[in-house]
Amino acid sequence: EAEVAQSPRYKITEKSQAVAFWCDPISGHATLYWYRQILGQGPELLVQFQDESVVDDSQLPKDRFSAERLKGVDSTLKIQPAELGDSAMYLCASSPKIRTGDQYFGPGTRLLVL
Amino acid sequence: DQQVKQNSPSLSVQEGRISILNCDYTNSMFDYFLWYKKYPAEGPTFLISISSIKDKNEDGRFTVFLNKSAKHLSLHIVPSQPGDSAVYFCAAQTGTASKLTFGTGTRLQVTL
Repeated sequence: EAEVAQSPRYKITEKSQAVAFWCDPISGHATLYWYRQILGQGPELLVQFQDESVVDDSQLPKDRFSAERLKGVDSTLKIQPAELGDSAMYLCASSPKIRTGDQYFGPGTRLLVL
Repeated sequence: DQQVKQNSPSLSVQEGRISILNCDYTNSMFDYFLWYKKYPAEGPTFLISISSIKDKNEDGRFTVFLNKSAKHLSLHIVPSQPGDSAVYFCAAQTGTASKLTFGTGTRLQVTL
């Protein structure tokens, strides 16, 4: 069964450092999402891509976060500089087309900022 | 502003019994609802969904009920099994945006 791949699974960094997360969606899925899940809360959307274009980045803290999906396949989410409050699970999801609710999630990257 | 609410943070049910997880929403523009199951250290796994034009959708042991007038949906698991122990998230979507708005989750514990 096809899966969404994410790496690394865990990341520990010090505040003010740069971190990057990678996501490879299910083959053929045009829509890719990055969510952030803080402990005890549900996931919240950071950015949504349709192919290589950003569809929604209204909740992305653009002063420190950036995301790209250059060839419309895999994607990178970067934080620079990391802050203590960025400690969370970062989840990538993909879906076959833009208007479908059945999003498939990867295992996530757990980030701890010290 | 929490548009999707799961007011029960935890639920304990005996094996073989019915588990009922509840979810309320405030945004009347939501027209598609989903349930996800999440194990520790894993991403959420899609479980079942329902469109706002329906009031019930069933898939094996899982049934989702939607009451639009009350802005309420529920997930029924019958019979409950120990492997169902996980955190369950309710999520909602509007017709004009595909992002999911999640609730805070309910931790289900199925005991022997």
